[in-house]
Amino acid sequence: NSKVIQTPRYLVKGQGQKAKMRCIPEKGHPVVFWYQQNKNNEFKFLINFQNQEVLQQIDMTEKRFSAECPSNSPCSLEIQSSEAGDSALYLCASSLQVNQDTQYFGPGTRLLVL
Amino acid sequence: GEQVEQLPSILRVQEGSSASINCTYENSASNYFPWYKQEPGENPKLIIDIRSNMERKQTQGLIVLLDKKAKRFSLHITDTQPGDSAMYFCAASITSSGQKLVFGQGTILKVYL
Repeated sequence: NSKVIQTPRYLVKGQGQKAKMRCIPEKGHPVVFWYQQNKNNEFKFLINFQNQEVLQQIDMTEKRFSAECPSNSPCSLEIQSSEAGDSALYLCASSLQVNQDTQYFGPGTRLLVL
Repeated sequence: GEQVEQLPSILRVQEGSSASINCTYENSASNYFPWYKQEPGENPKLIIDIRSNMERKQTQGLIVLLDKKAKRFSLHITDTQPGDSAMYFCAASITSSGQKLVFGQGTILKVYL
């Protein structure tokens, strides 16, 4: 199904620490999305990119996260100062184009903030 | 608004019967509606999707219906099997919002023998 690669699969951090996760989109997919799925299984869109440019992001991402999708390198999402409420599954998805295209999720990075 | 409402939250059906999950959306500009199946500890996997230029789509025991007037779409699983037991999520997206997905709350489907 999906050829999106995410690392690490599991990440444990203390409060206040940085937490960085990476995503390699499917080959040839210029559009990348990050979502957060919390312990109640609720999804939250965080940010999306087309090539290296941010298309849209929520306030939380802008204030607390650092995200980029450099050319020829994995995309990354980094929480600058982890909080307990950041414990969640972080899912990366990629698609071929922005308009109405299928998003395939990677395996996710499960973050636990102690 | 951009909310997507999904019902029921839990669905128990006997093996061989059909299961239906319903979703409604708020934004009439929504134009893409995927369904994902997620098993415990796994990532969501796309099982079927429908675009706004269609009213019905069917693939391998799955049927999706879209009623744009009512802003409602639904997933129907025919001839359910124990392997269909999982959590199912509907989602909707709009091109003008960068095609981000807005998810429903999820439905736990349990298929019993």
